[in-house]
Amino acid sequence: EAGVAQSPRYKIIEKRQSVAFWCNPISGHATLYWYQQILGQGPKLLIQFQNNGVVDDSQLPKDRFSAERLKGVDSTLKIQPAKLEDSAVYLCASSLGGGTLGNTIYFGEGSWLTVV
Amino acid sequence: GENVEQHPSTLSVQEGDSAVIKCTYSDSASNYFPWYKQELGKGPQLIIDIRSNVGEKKDQRIAVTLNKTAKHFSLHITETQPEDSAVYFCAASIAKLSFGAGTTVTVRA
Repeated sequence: EAGVAQSPRYKIIEKRQSVAFWCNPISGHATLYWYQQILGQGPKLLIQFQNNGVVDDSQLPKDRFSAERLKGVDSTLKIQPAKLEDSAVYLCASSLGGGTLGNTIYFGEGSWLTVV
Repeated sequence: GENVEQHPSTLSVQEGDSAVIKCTYSDSASNYFPWYKQELGKGPQLIIDIRSNVGEKKDQRIAVTLNKTAKHFSLHITETQPEDSAVYFCAASIAKLSFGAGTTVTVRA
């Protein structure tokens, strides 16, 4: 079974530029997550989709971050304009259902962003 | 929101010895406690989890214990091997996962 696919794996941009990350979840998984992982910290949830609807975006900095999940499958996360503190690994994850109890969350390998 | 603290931040053990990582959580309503292993350049991978109605769970060399009264849970790895070297994260969940800061485990050959 194919895992969660993410691209690009690595990106270096200058501050104030924009960047977009793409994610393809495990086939059949209704729930998709974007996490931000700053070096030396645990992942932090940015946004959670259930099919193509947003369940939780309470920690998404909406002035610069946006995400969409068209047709309930693939998703893109965009940052515009980027700040130095956005340097992190952006992890996409998916699970079969919503909620965490009884739903294993599978992570992709991440997209490493460096803002200079 | 939920706050998860994890200790120690680094752990070095001799191959064959045991490793123990401890986490505490703040919200007594949390009901699901997974542990993830993250190798360099990869995403976190679930290695074991426990629900709030269970006190202990074991899977081969890995075990997790939960003390709901004290709001803490622990990961135990026995007979450590070099391939156990990685960063380990605990998490607690009501509706979404809140992660600890991670423990870097190094197994010395």
